[in-house]
Amino acid sequence: EADIYQTPRYLVIGTGKKITLECSQTMGHDKMYWYQQDPGMELHLIHYSYGVNSTEKGDLSSESTVSRIRTEHFPLTLESARPSHTSQYLCASSWNSATNEKLFFGSGTQLSVL
Amino acid sequence: GQQLNQSPQSMFIQEGEDVSMNCTSSSIFNTWLWYKQDPGEGPVLLIALYKAGELTSNGRLTAQFGTTRKDSFLNISASIPSDVGIYFCAGHAGTYKYIFGTGTRLKVLA
Repeated sequence: EADIYQTPRYLVIGTGKKITLECSQTMGHDKMYWYQQDPGMELHLIHYSYGVNSTEKGDLSSESTVSRIRTEHFPLTLESARPSHTSQYLCASSWNSATNEKLFFGSGTQLSVL
Repeated sequence: GQQLNQSPQSMFIQEGEDVSMNCTSSSIFNTWLWYKQDPGEGPVLLIALYKAGELTSNGRLTAQFGTTRKDSFLNISASIPSDVGIYFCAGHAGTYKYIFGTGTRLKVLA
């Protein structure tokens, strides 16, 4: 059972608002990730982190930013939301291990920007 | 971005039937993961595979790590209506990056 939590589950906001999507895991995982996924489509990596104070941009260019001040917490922020940001955002985490990798996902945040 | 080839893309089956799907890659992976995703939810990890040739079961699900390390297979036996969803594979080569399959959409007819 994965212990990774995302809030809110659903968010509808107006254009130009600043939002923060929360992600927390209680498994002590070093690595954390943010993926963006449109319905029925592939997952796109937008940010990842190897540990505290480590953040990197992923393969998909994103206007969002992330921070990793604590091991268990990896929030994603959009300074000014636009309709093009409407999507599902999935947080994930894994151990920093050369073997026995397992990637666990949260339930996701469905974001709609009007 | 890079994706794994997964087949079939979708399938309709009768309740009680067995299901098979596979994932192929041009690259070698150290780890294969299989997930199920319901609409509007996050993917749930079903099975993890770490060695070439490894065969692992989780209830009615069985997955295999291909001997070439470039493919993996998932079988579901005696399907039930709650098996409906999107199944996808993921490969990991020892970096931060996971490569995901294109997904198999499963629909079970009662």
